[in-house]
Amino acid sequence: QIQLVQSGAEVKKPGASVKVSCRASGYTFTSSDINWVRQATGQGLEWMGWMNPNSGDAGFAPKFQGRVTMTRDTSLNTAYLELTDLTSDDTAIYYCARASQLMNWGQGSLVSVSS
Amino acid sequence: EIVMTQSPATLSVSPGERATLSCRASQSVSSNLGWYQQKPGQAPRLLIYGAATRATGIPDRFSGSGSGTEFTLTISRLEAEDSAVYYCQQYKNWPRTFGQGTKVEIK
Repeated sequence: QIQLVQSGAEVKKPGASVKVSCRASGYTFTSSDINWVRQATGQGLEWMGWMNPNSGDAGFAPKFQGRVTMTRDTSLNTAYLELTDLTSDDTAIYYCARASQLMNWGQGSLVSVSS
Repeated sequence: EIVMTQSPATLSVSPGERATLSCRASQSVSSNLGWYQQKPGQAPRLLIYGAATRATGIPDRFSGSGSGTEFTLTISRLEAEDSAVYYCQQYKNWPRTFGQGTKVEIK
């Protein structure tokens, strides 16, 4: 079965960076886009961007431009989200999801930003 | 960017009754619309894609309809396990955008 398994919780200081991983299994990793979505506590879902694991092409929501990088390691079937210049507003659960339709979701990675 | 607006914010329905959730797009998204269910402490789950196609393993009491700018998710016979927040998302244009969610409560 298709699975997306994400890295564990992170605690960061303001101004730091965080890198979250998303390991895919059960399908051909390079055949489907990976999207990243975040959710602050008690809030709705916020789409951050997407990456094509085959080409490495990526696109981001305007509010994250300049602060986000999406990469992959095809040998590990793993996608990565890196977010820099963290503030308390970035405290959220970060999800990866497969394909434009968000067919399958990772379990989420909690990122907490606090001084 | 396309703004997705869901209504109502909260819906209280008795078990066995029908629940109707709405999602409106600020411009046409054709049929590039998904519905997601999220229960407390869980990741969202895809219910419907292409506005009307049930995802794998989704019970047939869930159905989607609409195209263009107006969409509906119907839960035909509500069960207790359907208590959740439901989101719509358009994947026609960049950036992808979600509605703010509808919370379905069981009376």
